[in-house]
Amino acid sequence: DIVMTQSPDSLAVSLGERATINCKSSQSVFYSSNNKNYLAWYQQKPGQPPKLLIYWASTRESGVPDRFSGSGSGTDFTLTISSLQAEDVAVYYCQQYYNTPPYTFGQGTKLEIK
Amino acid sequence: QVHLVESGGGVVQPGRSLRLSCAASGFTFSSYGIHWVRQAPGKGLEWVAVKWYDGSYTYYADSVKGRFTISRDNSKNTVYLQMNGLRAEDTAVYYCARGQQWEHYFDYWGQGTLVTVSS
Repeated sequence: DIVMTQSPDSLAVSLGERATINCKSSQSVFYSSNNKNYLAWYQQKPGQPPKLLIYWASTRESGVPDRFSGSGSGTDFTLTISSLQAEDVAVYYCQQYYNTPPYTFGQGTKLEIK
Repeated sequence: QVHLVESGGGVVQPGRSLRLSCAASGFTFSSYGIHWVRQAPGKGLEWVAVKWYDGSYTYYADSVKGRFTISRDNSKNTVYLQMNGLRAEDTAVYYCARGQQWEHYFDYWGQGTLVTVSS
């Protein structure tokens, strides 16, 4: 199984500042046949289900603010929030959907306001 | 408007069974894979099972293999998760989530149903 490891486990950032969350997979999730990375990012607020933010490592889901961006390839990925807003306080998860299941998640990164 | 609504959760004793349902609306149900993902209290997300859009493939997490069975009824736009031999470690909120036909990121999620396994 592919193991997903996020860093840091928690993060405190000032309003308006940049927040960066990292995700590393134990094996590459890049498919050379279609040049795509099988990596998604989700945001989960307390008491709510997760919300899809990013898929294919860098494609923003419809309606997601453009301050959210995803980057990386192969085994190393990053979710960046360019200017933190109060409503961005949440837990963020990466997930790989490469090949056949299991489709594993990272352990989550808790983002708070400093 | 896409909706996924889970039901069937509750409190159950260890070793007993429970069946969860996920009722879908607002999209062509037979064109999408439907997954179950669970979250233990205060913990992260764990993928549980998937039934392919056409029912051709079924996969389970090792932690539930042999105990849980996922099925779908495309005529009722519903996916089921039959959970047998429940254990305390199965206690979690169970979400159903929509995957794509062949690419399994989850673009819509239900609100979840809580399963508590306790004597």
